[in-house]
Amino acid sequence: DAGVIQSPRHEVTEMGQEVTLRCKPISGHNSLFWYRQTMMRGLELLIYFNNNVPIDDSGMPEDRFSAKMPNASFSTLKIQPSEPRDSAVYFCASRADYQETQYFGPGTRLLVL
Amino acid sequence: SQKIEQNSEALNIQEGKTATLTCNYTNYSPAYLQWYRQDPGRGPVFLLLIRENEKEKRKERLKVTFDTTLKQSLFHITASQPADSATYLCALVGRNTDKLIFGTGTRLQVFP
Repeated sequence: DAGVIQSPRHEVTEMGQEVTLRCKPISGHNSLFWYRQTMMRGLELLIYFNNNVPIDDSGMPEDRFSAKMPNASFSTLKIQPSEPRDSAVYFCASRADYQETQYFGPGTRLLVL
Repeated sequence: SQKIEQNSEALNIQEGKTATLTCNYTNYSPAYLQWYRQDPGRGPVFLLLIRENEKEKRKERLKVTFDTTLKQSLFHITASQPADSATYLCALVGRNTDKLIFGTGTRLQVFP
């Protein structure tokens, strides 16, 4: 298995632009999690899905952030409009219902200028 | 508010010694606790899980303890090696939820 796949791995954009991050979970995993990691705040959960349904989005910082999971093999995290304070590493993780372990992707390093 | 604290300063130890990392939490009653390893430029990788009714878990050179009275978990790496150098994160999960709440991590550096 290829593990959790994220794209792009790096993204540099200008303030005000729309940014879309993509994630493909491990096949057969029912839950998908989006995290953001910064030096100041560490690793924070933004939102998670179970069976493609958003369960908890209390970590989404603002209305500028939105996430979708149209099917079991794909999810997006969108920031519109982006701001410099959104610069961070964004991780996607997936998990099977019969496990407690989360498997993380390699992350997308976002820089908003 | 819920808080998870790990030593923010790096832990530097000599190869062969035992590394001990601490995770303290407040205002939380976790169902279980996990430890992850994170290398630079990579996502966290799961190492061990310990439940609230367990005192200790072992896996090869790794050992985790969990004291719900002290609200503390200790993570030990025995016979440490330079390859163990990484950031180690603890994460708590409450009851009836799948949310992992992470500590800020402790960077371990093992010198030959």
